[in-house]
Amino acid sequence: DTGVSQDPRHKITKRGQNVTFRCDPISEHNRLYWYRQTLGQGPEFLTYFQNEAQLEKSRLLSNRFSAERPKGSFSTLEIQRTEQGDSAMYLCASSPEGTGELFFGEGSRLTVL
Amino acid sequence: AQSVTQLGSHVSVSEGALVLLRCNYSSSVPPYLFWYVQYPNQGLQLLLKYTSAATLVKGINGFEAEFKKSETSFHLTKPSAHMSDAAEYFCAVSGNSGYSTLTFGKGTMLLVSP
Repeated sequence: DTGVSQDPRHKITKRGQNVTFRCDPISEHNRLYWYRQTLGQGPEFLTYFQNEAQLEKSRLLSNRFSAERPKGSFSTLEIQRTEQGDSAMYLCASSPEGTGELFFGEGSRLTVL
Repeated sequence: AQSVTQLGSHVSVSEGALVLLRCNYSSSVPPYLFWYVQYPNQGLQLLLKYTSAATLVKGINGFEAEFKKSETSFHLTKPSAHMSDAAEYFCAVSGNSGYSTLTFGKGTMLLVSP
């Protein structure tokens, strides 16, 4: 068990550029979650997958945000036309089905200049 | 819908003193409740969880929490603080099916002084 891994750990980009984050969950976990965390706040839910199916995406912050989990393993979170307000830590977590217990990665920190 | 309120963004204690971090929840269904800890530059780590079994839940590193339905509370305690407990602590709630997502509080930073 190598835990949840996220890549890159840090990303600095200019406003208007697209960015993509990758998450590799714990291999036997079929649920995968994306959260966003800003300074002084708790993690804010964005979306989640069960296997390759995206079961909830209404909480994605705008239509510039999209996520995929094409084969039910790793997932990507893409932000198009980044804005300064997108600067945050993007957290990925995975979970065994039905436990509600999330295992988090260390996060990907995005800075938009 | 579920929500969590953590009272106090910062709590300071001396080493060896009691730790008490407060969490109140709101839930339209019987909740699952969680405490997570985040050390600097690390991911969130589960401390303990309540899933409608025993109301007093013991977790890692000597922490425990008690579910009180009448008070809608799930406060986190530790009898004696250690310097290594300094971190940010998050309370979270989900619906009791275990299939819904976690909603987190804003967090409480625990500061431990020698």
